[in-house]
Amino acid sequence: SQTIHQWPATLVQPVGSPLSLECTVEGTSNPNLYWYRQAAGRGLQLLFYSVGIGQISSEVPQNLSASRPQDRQFILSSKKLLLSDSGFYLCAWSGSTDTQYFGPGTRLTVL
Amino acid sequence: SQQGEEDPQALSIQEGENATMNCSYKTSINNLQWYRQNSGRGLVHLILIRSNEREKHSGRLRVTLDTSKKSSSLLITASRAADTASYFCAPRGENQGGKLIFGQGTELSVKP
Repeated sequence: SQTIHQWPATLVQPVGSPLSLECTVEGTSNPNLYWYRQAAGRGLQLLFYSVGIGQISSEVPQNLSASRPQDRQFILSSKKLLLSDSGFYLCAWSGSTDTQYFGPGTRLTVL
Repeated sequence: SQQGEEDPQALSIQEGENATMNCSYKTSINNLQWYRQNSGRGLVHLILIRSNEREKHSGRLRVTLDTSKKSSSLLITASRAADTASYFCAPRGENQGGKLIFGQGTELSVKP
């Protein structure tokens, strides 16, 4: 069966520090991968999606970047965090159907 | 890309009552999905209804789709305290690829 992992679960970082969040998927090949951010515990904002290794589409211009170095690995990064980067970051994957499967999320607090 | 808008933003009911949440969208769709999110957790897929379907059931869930009105509804019957969560719809527009654009969701509170 397929599983999706995210780490860390929680993170507290100072403004101006770098960020690296990792997402890995097991049990499937060539998944579509997505990064979302959820602020204030409500709506999700699609940040990046990837249909294959090295193929990244950015949905919203901002302080973040994404990379997909391996088929089932998706990384969200920042060189210098801003206060506004605080939020709940969710990774998701989809396969041959339209259903997306979400990871447990990373709670990021930027101080 | 297509985004759904859920209504109401918040709903509070007693255990045993039915809960109805609505979703509206703007352009033609291939399908529409509903997801649930418990506080502090990832989203969980509930049900997918295709554009040529009008109603679909899954356990205590009933989803309807009216493409002429560009709207969908999610009905949870005989609600339980464990149904307390946020519910999101995600319409998939034509030529949207695999991307889903989620709205603000409906926050459902079921009181025991």
